[in-house]
Amino acid sequence: DAGITQSPRHKVTETGTPVTLRCHQTENHRYMYWYRQDPGHGLRLIHYSYGVKDTDKGEVSDGYSVSRSKTEDFLLTLESATSSQTSVYFCAISESRTSGPGELFFGEGSRLTVL
Amino acid sequence: AQKITQTQPGMFVQEKEAVTLDCTYDTSDQSYGLFWYKQPSSGEMIFLIYQGSYDEQNATEGRYSLNFQKARKSANLVISASQLGDSAMYFCAMREGQLGYSTLTFGKGTMLLVSP
Repeated sequence: DAGITQSPRHKVTETGTPVTLRCHQTENHRYMYWYRQDPGHGLRLIHYSYGVKDTDKGEVSDGYSVSRSKTEDFLLTLESATSSQTSVYFCAISESRTSGPGELFFGEGSRLTVL
Repeated sequence: AQKITQTQPGMFVQEKEAVTLDCTYDTSDQSYGLFWYKQPSSGEMIFLIYQGSYDEQNATEGRYSLNFQKARKSANLVISASQLGDSAMYFCAMREGQLGYSTLTFGKGTMLLVSP
């Protein structure tokens, strides 16, 4: 199993509060991703990183920011949480495609509820 | 337009029978990859199988095979000899282009229930 740890695993917060989710990997993979999963929508890409301090936006990036100061950590921040950000958040990692199909390995997910 | 379409919200199959989960995709890239993931009720995402756009043979992994029809832009997952443990949500996903990273686009998923 890929060494990916997400924290916290569960969080309940109130509208307007800041929230940071952490993804930590022990695989030394270059690429890291944040997805959100909502019923009827599958998984949608929020942000991704292709190296330390190199990040880019995904399909649903509004209201989210990310940071990657070390290879092993990728942080997702909701500056001011809204109820529409209630979701299950998945972190994923991948190797460079030169060494395989480049499949994503996922963390266990973080369930966030914004009241 | 959706890039990945899974038209079956739910599927039922009896144990030991085969089942096909549909996936169609939309891309103008010549180089792309197609993935299937399984998500059991416990919530983890499990990679099942991969098909590259230039692969001439259909991918197989144990009881899983991918029926890749490039002209029809379909990449259906076939599960042979279904088991109770196959009950889960299944997602089809696509990577476009030749970049080193995999910003996969996922379909909405198909819930498979296997009955005894």
